[in-house]
Amino acid sequence: GAVVSQHPSRVICKSGTSVKIECRSLDFQATTMFWYRQFPKKSLMLMATSNEGSKATYEQGVEKDKFLINHASLTLSTLTVTSAHPEDSSFYICSAAQGGNEKLFFGSGTQLSVL
Amino acid sequence: RKEVEQDPGPFNVPEGATVAFNCTYSNSASQSFFWYRQDCRKEPKLLMSVYSSGNEDGRFTAQLNRASQYISLLIRDSKLSDSATYLCVVTLYSSASKIIFGSGTRLSIRP
Repeated sequence: GAVVSQHPSRVICKSGTSVKIECRSLDFQATTMFWYRQFPKKSLMLMATSNEGSKATYEQGVEKDKFLINHASLTLSTLTVTSAHPEDSSFYICSAAQGGNEKLFFGSGTQLSVL
Repeated sequence: RKEVEQDPGPFNVPEGATVAFNCTYSNSASQSFFWYRQDCRKEPKLLMSVYSSGNEDGRFTAQLNRASQYISLLIRDSKLSDSATYLCVVTLYSSASKIIFGSGTRLSIRP
């Protein structure tokens, strides 16, 4: 089945630093990838939709200058949390839709802890 | 009103019981429906798609009611390993596809 690889799985960083998270579709081309954030015991919250070769579409309330998304190829999207602060600590998950198939395949997630 | 609504639970049922969840959606133009399962601190995994005719996969049965705009998931003979959060997902196609997650229903199976 389709596989989405997400790295790193865990990041601990100091406040003010930037963190980059990668999401790769390993065996299919993903024109669209999605980025989510999940706080403990809360539901997945869509942050942005990443389209290959174009600007990402951000959900209301998500700062595009803080959460930089780059989708430069059909197999790779990155999320950079710039100048991270403790309130950015969360579980970040990416997903990709396989071609015309609307089923989503998820990365394994990144637990970000900002000290 | 949320676009996709689920009872958050938690549902706490004994092993072997039958449990059912519903999920309602607000946009009648919604076109594709799925149930995902998410374990704590893990990524969601597709459990099953939901078709208009209803579909079954082992102990799991999914139903779609377009007239009332809800989907359901029935789990029979529940196992301890069924304990998880179940997410309802609705896809809407217009100028761009939009995938909407419900907030999830937590299920806990007790011995």
